Amino acid sequence: KQEVTQIPAALSVPEGENLVLNCSFTDSAIYNLQWFRQDPGKGLTSLLLIQSSQREQTSGRLNASLDKSSGRSTLYIAASQPGDSATYLCAVKESGGGADGLTFGKGTHLIIQP
Amino acid sequence: DAGITQSPRHKVTETGTPVTLRCHQTENHRYMYWYRQDPGHGLRLIHYSYGVKDTDKGEVSDGYSVSRSKTEDFLLTLESATSSQTSVYFCAISESGGQGRHEAFFGQGTRLTVV
Repeated sequence: KQEVTQIPAALSVPEGENLVLNCSFTDSAIYNLQWFRQDPGKGLTSLLLIQSSQREQTSGRLNASLDKSSGRSTLYIAASQPGDSATYLCAVKESGGGADGLTFGKGTHLIIQP
Repeated sequence: DAGITQSPRHKVTETGTPVTLRCHQTENHRYMYWYRQDPGHGLRLIHYSYGVKDTDKGEVSDGYSVSRSKTEDFLLTLESATSSQTSVYFCAISESGGQGRHEAFFGQGTRLTVV
């Protein structure tokens, strides 16, 4: 059974710092990996999707990498801002693709101090 | 934002009563999913659909049923609600697209309290 772990569970840093969130998964036979942001009481917003054949994806100040063989992904946030405060979730889709749902980590709760 | 609407957004119901949650999409995506989110467990898959009338069970399907009579609507029913089903329920959609991305998009959630 696929298991997804996110470290750290919580992180508090001053504004302006670059930071890295970690995600690991136990079964490397994945179809894709997706990073989400969730604000309190809200739904999930898709940030980046990395397909299994890709190594990284970038969107603005965010960069996500994938090392499928070692079962790891990182989300790099450059020049953090208070508006980045949220819970960040990592999720993997099994290699069957298609209908398979996502297996989620429990998230990293991020606070950016002004 | 992806066109996903969940209703109701909040509901309080009594133990033993049936409850139906609705997910409506305007994206014409083939795949639809129901998840629940609980402290300490994260998000877990309840049921999913891969087409009209085509559904299957996820990790935590006991006590839940689903139906999909139209592409745009996916219903989640709690046959007889229990306190353990108090949770936040999320609907998600995805489509393979031209590059087979299967990117998932989520609704805003339904907060269900069973008393």
